[in-house]
Amino acid sequence: GENVEQHPSTLSVQEGDSAVIKCTYSDSASNYFPWYKQELGKGPQLIIDIRSNVGEKKDQRIAVTLNKTAKHFSLHITETQPEDSAVYFCAADPSGAGSYQLTFGKGTKLSVIP
Amino acid sequence: NAGVTQTPKFQVLKTGQSMTLQCAQDMNHNSMYWYRQDPGMGLRLIYYSASEGTTDKGEVPNGYNVSRLNKREFSLRLESAAPSQTSVYFCASSALQGVNEQYFGPGTRLTVT
Repeated sequence: GENVEQHPSTLSVQEGDSAVIKCTYSDSASNYFPWYKQELGKGPQLIIDIRSNVGEKKDQRIAVTLNKTAKHFSLHITETQPEDSAVYFCAADPSGAGSYQLTFGKGTKLSVIP
Repeated sequence: NAGVTQTPKFQVLKTGQSMTLQCAQDMNHNSMYWYRQDPGMGLRLIYYSASEGTTDKGEVPNGYNVSRLNKREFSLRLESAAPSQTSVYFCASSALQGVNEQYFGPGTRLTVT
């Protein structure tokens, strides 16, 4: 089955700096890679996703890059703000192999220091 | 449009007790999922329902049963709760199975003593 590794597990940045979270996956059939943000006491919320036919996607201050050859993808947050503090999860969907199950990384706790 | 709703928000059970976690979505989604979240473990899939009338096991199904009551509702039952089932449970839905966004509910925090 799919295995998703996520690094780092914790990340502290100064307000205004950039944050980068990286994930690797094992199943080359995976073709959908979402990122979720989870605030304390709430459910995960989809913030951006990328499909295997695209190398990069941006949405205001967040961007995701995908390298299918190396089987890794990354979340980039620029100009971080205190409200970006949360736990972020990456995931991979090996639907190409007929699995249809999102496999999640273990999460990154991002702290933005004012 | 409430999205995905879950009840209850919190529950404490004694070992051996049973309970059902309820989930409903109002987005007319076909697929629904149950996950558990444990510290340092991320989200792990318990069961999913690709469409009304079908259910399948996920990564960690032991000790749980599910029912897809109708298109809107998907329940998770613990027949004989164990301390190892102490966790936060999330329900999610997506328009279709596969390459599709999943939308999560607010979660149920369950403690088994």
